[in-house]
Amino acid sequence: DGGITQSPKYLFRKEGQNVTLSCEQNLNHDAMYWYRQDPGQGLRLIYYSQIVNDFQKGDIAEGYSVSREKKESFPLTVTSAQKNPTAFYLCASSMTSGGTSNNEQFFGPGTRLTVL
Amino acid sequence: RKEVEQDPGPFNVPEGATVAFNCTYSNSASQSFFWYRQDCRKEPKLLMSVYSSGNEDGRFTAQLNRASQYISLLIRDSKLSDSATYLCVVNPSGAGSYQLTFGKGTKLSVIP
Repeated sequence: DGGITQSPKYLFRKEGQNVTLSCEQNLNHDAMYWYRQDPGQGLRLIYYSQIVNDFQKGDIAEGYSVSREKKESFPLTVTSAQKNPTAFYLCASSMTSGGTSNNEQFFGPGTRLTVL
Repeated sequence: RKEVEQDPGPFNVPEGATVAFNCTYSNSASQSFFWYRQDCRKEPKLLMSVYSSGNEDGRFTAQLNRASQYISLLIRDSKLSDSATYLCVVNPSGAGSYQLTFGKGTKLSVIP
């Protein structure tokens, strides 16, 4: 079955530690995204990548880093510089076939990060 | 004006009722529009895309009004399983851009 997987589902981190969230997709999508969702809030874009070896900052990139070495994988590192990292992190992917405007995104099940 | 605005609700409706959600967007160049559904503590899932001519999928009807820059979602014959948060989603930058802007969502509770 094609889809997006994220691991772990729950993650606990001590203050001052870096942590990496995994995101893998086998949908053959070119574009991948990381969002953060806080209670009662909309999704906010952290980083996105439209192609391998390239990525762009979203609206709230400070304190986060990403890599895109493979088409299938887009890991997110939450660094100690992120002041309020406790949140629900969602990874998504979409096709970027030329000219399409129906670029719906498909989401993984998310990772809940709690800083202790 | 926020990019995508929705009434947060909650909308509490009895089973079988018809309920409508509206969403407004600020960028007139927006090209793509979607409704997503998000269950509590789960990921958003695409409910339907919204086309200029309006589209229907079973009990769900989506409409787009470009002149007034709003999108609507109508749910007929509400089921208990429709209880969720409905997210209005817009591509604010037009064709060639793959970023989406999400509204904060409208919470629906269908009551027995």
